Amino acid sequence: AQTVTQSQPEMSVQEAETVTLSCTYDTSESDYYLFWYKQPPSRQMILVIRQEAYKQQNATENRFSVNFQKAAKSFSLKISDSQLGDAAMYFCAYRITFGGSQGNLIFGKGTKLSVKP
Amino acid sequence: NAGVTQTPKFQVLKTGQSMTLQCAQDMNHEYMSWYRQDPGMGLRLIHYSVGAGITDQGEVPNGYNVSRSTTEDFPLRLLSAAPSQTSVYFCASNPSLGSGANVLTFGAGSRLTVL
Repeated sequence: AQTVTQSQPEMSVQEAETVTLSCTYDTSESDYYLFWYKQPPSRQMILVIRQEAYKQQNATENRFSVNFQKAAKSFSLKISDSQLGDAAMYFCAYRITFGGSQGNLIFGKGTKLSVKP
Repeated sequence: NAGVTQTPKFQVLKTGQSMTLQCAQDMNHEYMSWYRQDPGMGLRLIHYSVGAGITDQGEVPNGYNVSRSTTEDFPLRLLSAAPSQTSVYFCASNPSLGSGANVLTFGAGSRLTVL
């Protein structure tokens, strides 16, 4: 079965600095999708970025980028120029793409990011 | 606005009571699912549905019941609430399973406390 591990329960970054959140996963599939979700105190789940496993190029969305290492099964999120509004819980998620469970997401336990002014 | 609507947003129950968390989407999405979020545990899948009349169990289905009589609605039922079911519940939908790139749309969440 697939698993997702976020080894950093909490992280802290200074405003305007860069921070990297770690995520590793385990799967025997060759094609899948990976996601980072942000959950601010409002509780809303907000998609930050997604990566398709068959694409070599790392995904980028404005200040957010990923370092996708398929062989190492690693999917870290880099936040550049951190802002106070980036403070939130961040979840890494793996999407099953084959079989009866396709479409379901497997989530890591989350990393709580604090941003210091 | 179109999206996934969950009701109620907050609910307090006593042990043994039953209740239904409602979830409705107006985007004609085939796929719908329920997750629960507990501190330090991330989100875990309870039940999901790939279309009207079709439901299946996720990782933590015990104590919960679902049905999907229409494309729009996917209610989650707690038949006899237990304190272990105290959690935040999220409903999510997806256009179809045909494309792995499709992104789940989440509801705003429902916080349930069982005393």
